[in-house]
Amino acid sequence: GAGVSQTPSNKVTEKGKYVELRCDPISGHTALYWYRQSLGQGPEFLIYFQGTGAADDSGLPNDRFFAVRPEGSVSTLKIQRTERGDSAVYLCASSPRGAGGPGEQFFGPGTRLTVL
Amino acid sequence: GQNIDQPTEMTATEGAIVQINCTYQTSGFNGLFWYQQHAGEAPTFLSYNVLDGLEEKGRFSSFLSRSKGYSYLLLKELQMKDSASYLCAVLHTGANNLFFGTGTRLTVIP
Repeated sequence: GAGVSQTPSNKVTEKGKYVELRCDPISGHTALYWYRQSLGQGPEFLIYFQGTGAADDSGLPNDRFFAVRPEGSVSTLKIQRTERGDSAVYLCASSPRGAGGPGEQFFGPGTRLTVL
Repeated sequence: GQNIDQPTEMTATEGAIVQINCTYQTSGFNGLFWYQQHAGEAPTFLSYNVLDGLEEKGRFSSFLSRSKGYSYLLLKELQMKDSASYLCAVLHTGANNLFFGTGTRLTVIP
């Protein structure tokens, strides 16, 4: 079956612009996560959705970052007034179970964001 | 707070055995994961340990000691395709996300 998909695979933008990154989780997975990975680092948690609601957004670095999941499936990560420090690979993961469970997280291929 | 330590890089020979160590400090431990990540690709799940002991899955095994805050990933009969980064990640009680280490980049040489 299909895995987690993310679009676009690469995004180049200019400082100050707005970007949207999309994630299509595995069908039926209720939990969805966004992570950010800089070169040579492990993924860093940004936000977690259980269904349609953002159950934990404690990892979002500031109010320029926002994410939605209006129908409990596809999610969009939105970054306003992008800065060069936002350049990273943005990974999405989904899981059939949510908080506190040992459910394996299935990762998408990521979107490589470059802010010039 | 929480912290994960793992070696930055390791090199091993094809056909050999390699052990990648991970130590962690966290409040309220709820499991440890190992992921494999090839360059430019998504992390893929290898193993999950929540109880002390060894979990074996084919050529890969993972060990956990909760009292020592220590885990290792053991790779046997190394193949060239095993060259990748290996990420140790902890799930702590009440959290919804994995906390990852920086990863160990393994290079398998002929």
